[in-house]
Amino acid sequence: GDSVTQMEGPVTLSEEAFLTINCTYTATGYPSLFWYVQYPGEGLQLLLKATKADDKGSNKGFEATYRKETTSFHLEKGSVQVSDSAVYFCALRTYNNNDMRFGAGTRLTVKP
Amino acid sequence: NAGVTQTPKFQVLKTGQSMTLQCAQDMNHNSMYWYRQDPGMGLRLIYYSASEGTTDKGEVPNGYNVSRLNKREFSLRLESAAPSQTSVYFCASSEARRDPGWRQPQHFGDGTRLSIL
Repeated sequence: GDSVTQMEGPVTLSEEAFLTINCTYTATGYPSLFWYVQYPGEGLQLLLKATKADDKGSNKGFEATYRKETTSFHLEKGSVQVSDSAVYFCALRTYNNNDMRFGAGTRLTVKP
Repeated sequence: NAGVTQTPKFQVLKTGQSMTLQCAQDMNHNSMYWYRQDPGMGLRLIYYSASEGTTDKGEVPNGYNVSRLNKREFSLRLESAAPSQTSVYFCASSEARRDPGWRQPQHFGDGTRLSIL
């Protein structure tokens, strides 16, 4: 079935470091891809999305490019801030499924 | 806009007690979902409702029941709470999967933190 695999966490970085969180997927249909962010004590918020191959989603300095050839949707940010500390979830949705498939989440901690 | 509203935000129960978690959305979405989130386990789908009048089991339905009361509301009931059901529960809503719905994200509430002693 459809699934998402994220890199294992936790990830700890210093402020202004470069961030990459890897995400790969398996899907029988043609998926839409999403990154969500969850701050402590809150629900999941949509961070960015891409709905077709080679699309780049971007928001708040974060970017991810839909790579169909490598079935990947890696999240990147050039310079992280302490306020980016959160759990990040990669997710997909296809026309074949009513629900959304989530990765296990990657906890990011940014230290000053 | 309120988006997805969950009540209560916190609840403590004793083993064997029952309770209903409430969820309402104001985005006119057809589909609604209940998840639980446990440490290190990510999100697990309990039940979902693809459209008003339908409900289906997700990955971990045992011990739960749901009711899609109308298009806006989707409740989750624990008939006899067990300590293993201690978790954070999230409700979400989205467009139905028919095009272009499958290109749209799910929208989440802030969660209900449930402890069962």
